[in-house]
Amino acid sequence: DAGITQSPRHKVTETGTPVTLRCHQTENHRYMYWYRQDPGHGLRLIHYSYGVKDTDKGEVSDGYSVSRSKTEDFLLTLESATSSQTSVYFCAISERRIIGNSPLHFGNGTRLTVT
Amino acid sequence: KNEVEQSPQNLTAQEGEFITINCSYSVGISALHWLQQHPGGGIVSLFMLSSGKKKHGRLIATINIQEKHSSLHITASHPRDSAVYICAVPPTYNTDKLIFGTGTRLQVFP
Repeated sequence: DAGITQSPRHKVTETGTPVTLRCHQTENHRYMYWYRQDPGHGLRLIHYSYGVKDTDKGEVSDGYSVSRSKTEDFLLTLESATSSQTSVYFCAISERRIIGNSPLHFGNGTRLTVT
Repeated sequence: KNEVEQSPQNLTAQEGEFITINCSYSVGISALHWLQQHPGGGIVSLFMLSSGKKKHGRLIATINIQEKHSSLHITASHPRDSAVYICAVPPTYNTDKLIFGTGTRLQVFP
């Protein structure tokens, strides 16, 4: 299994508080992704990174920011959490671009509840 | 119209049955991904294919690019195959993104 660790695994927070989720990889893969998974929806891309300090928005990026200061770490921040951000968040990595037929490896997910 | 549609949404089977899960997409793609999400939530990449057929153990994935359709087959199904199976495609030919289907929930009973 690819070495991907998400932390925390579970978090409950109040509306309006900042929250940071961490994804740490030991594979030295260039590409990292944050997805959210909600009932009735497929996985949806929040932000992704194609290298240190290189990031781009996905389809549901509003209310989220990311940072990647090291190859191994990709942080997802909810500046002011809202109830609509209650979800399961998955980090994924890939060695090459997806368009290059590179498989995705997923972390175990973080279940976030915003009350 | 969703760009990626899977059928059926839910599937139950008896152990030993042959299983087929379908994925249709409306975008031009370079490759299609099949993923498995375990009951505990972990997601594993099963296949990437851009043509023909791939086989891994009891799992077989096929794709017809002209018809924009892929199938995932499970032979001699087992209760441990119970999971959600998800297909995903890149929305264009030059992208780092994937569009995911909503998944097919498979339950295999002994």
